[in-house]
Amino acid sequence: GESVGLHLPTLSVQEGDNSIINCAYSNSASDYFIWYKQESGKGPQFIIDIRSNMDKRQGQRVTVLLNKTVKHLSLQIAATQPGDSAVYFCPRGGLKGGFKTIFGAGTRLFVKA
Amino acid sequence: DTGVSQDPRHKITKRGQNVTFRCDPISEHNRLYWYRQTLGQGPEFLTYFQNEAQLEKSRLLSDRFSAERPKGSFSTLEIQRTEQGDSAMYLCASSLGGRTGGEFAYEQYFGPGTRLTVT
Repeated sequence: GESVGLHLPTLSVQEGDNSIINCAYSNSASDYFIWYKQESGKGPQFIIDIRSNMDKRQGQRVTVLLNKTVKHLSLQIAATQPGDSAVYFCPRGGLKGGFKTIFGAGTRLFVKA
Repeated sequence: DTGVSQDPRHKITKRGQNVTFRCDPISEHNRLYWYRQTLGQGPEFLTYFQNEAQLEKSRLLSDRFSAERPKGSFSTLEIQRTEQGDSAMYLCASSLGGRTGGEFAYEQYFGPGTRLTVT
């Protein structure tokens, strides 16, 4: 079977600190992994993705790490800002083209001022 | 604004009534998805279109639900004989299949959603 799970339902960090949101997966057949951010009242928004043949990918203030040995994915946000407060999802991307994306419950990030 | 749009943004209906939602994807995107999201949960996949063809449907999509994408552009999701359990946010997303310029092109762009309340 397959599952997409996050280690913690909520994460609270101080503004300016770095945030790390973790995700575990069980299906090794995934060819890519995507992180989405969903702010209150809005649809999910793509943040960054990583292919299964990569270990690390960096974006603006965000870094995604993929550890295929332990089937673990993490999203690191540098210098967390109040605007980063949201629910973060790491759905399984499925086959090429991305249909039937399977989301979990997500991790809610709270940023304390 | 050239993003994904959905109409209406909110719908309140009485149990037993039919409702129809519309989604306009990003114009060059050939793939379109419908999701349902309830409070505190992630989006649940309902169905997927590639152009006008409906290629996959979730078991969540009972026979009261029907989705169409007649010309491969906008899509409609109809719920017949609504039930209180249908109350949720209905999200539409679109994507461009395949790679563009060497970058990954599998990410989905979501609309703002239609919030349905069945009383």
